[in-house]
Amino acid sequence: DTEVTQTPKHLVMGMTNKKSLKCEQHMGHRAMYWYKQKAKKPPELMFVYSYEKLSINESVPSRFSPECPNSSLLNLHLHALQPEDSALYLCASSRDVGGNEQFFGPGTRLTVL
Amino acid sequence: DAKTTQPPSMDCAEGRAANLPCNHSTISGNEYVYWYRQIHSQGPQYIIHGLKNNETNEMASLIITEDRKSSTLILPHATLRDTAVYYCIVGPDTGFQKLVFGTGTRLLVSP
Repeated sequence: DTEVTQTPKHLVMGMTNKKSLKCEQHMGHRAMYWYKQKAKKPPELMFVYSYEKLSINESVPSRFSPECPNSSLLNLHLHALQPEDSALYLCASSRDVGGNEQFFGPGTRLTVL
Repeated sequence: DAKTTQPPSMDCAEGRAANLPCNHSTISGNEYVYWYRQIHSQGPQYIIHGLKNNETNEMASLIITEDRKSSTLILPHATLRDTAVYYCIVGPDTGFQKLVFGTGTRLLVSP
């Protein structure tokens, strides 16, 4: 299984809602990532988890809250988002030590009303 | 900030070779060159990476100049499905990567 899955594919939420994005991989990878991609722009790194611990937070606002419950699962909890947070949210994973390629999921397209 | 420079767009006829250039003049000795592509509405896909020797896999070939300041990704027989944005990225090979995507090259393969 060389796939990273993300759910849901599409999400529409209001600014007062709380929602979560889910990412899963079963490749035994120990590093997992969240990226944000605005329309016609390249992906931008948000968070990196290594061995289920947060390693990098690229100064992301606290309304985005990542969680890594186990080595296969990565969540992104969303609360009080703004319309400008509307984007494609991409999850990726890689082997840690010696890992040299990231496997990306198809993304969740988020619209904040 | 991205440490690479790529042309914003390129065209290629189906069946011909697509040669995508990338400048990375500030690359350091332990940094590799990685190529990813992103087909419309999909997540990025790893293609190939290399340090200083030319590399080839089932998808593409990577040619890195001797001074390592530039490289070329070659798709030997481009198909319509190769239409995508191609990203050239430099980064280390140990541990996990912090991929910094530049603006990439939008390759359009036409019949």
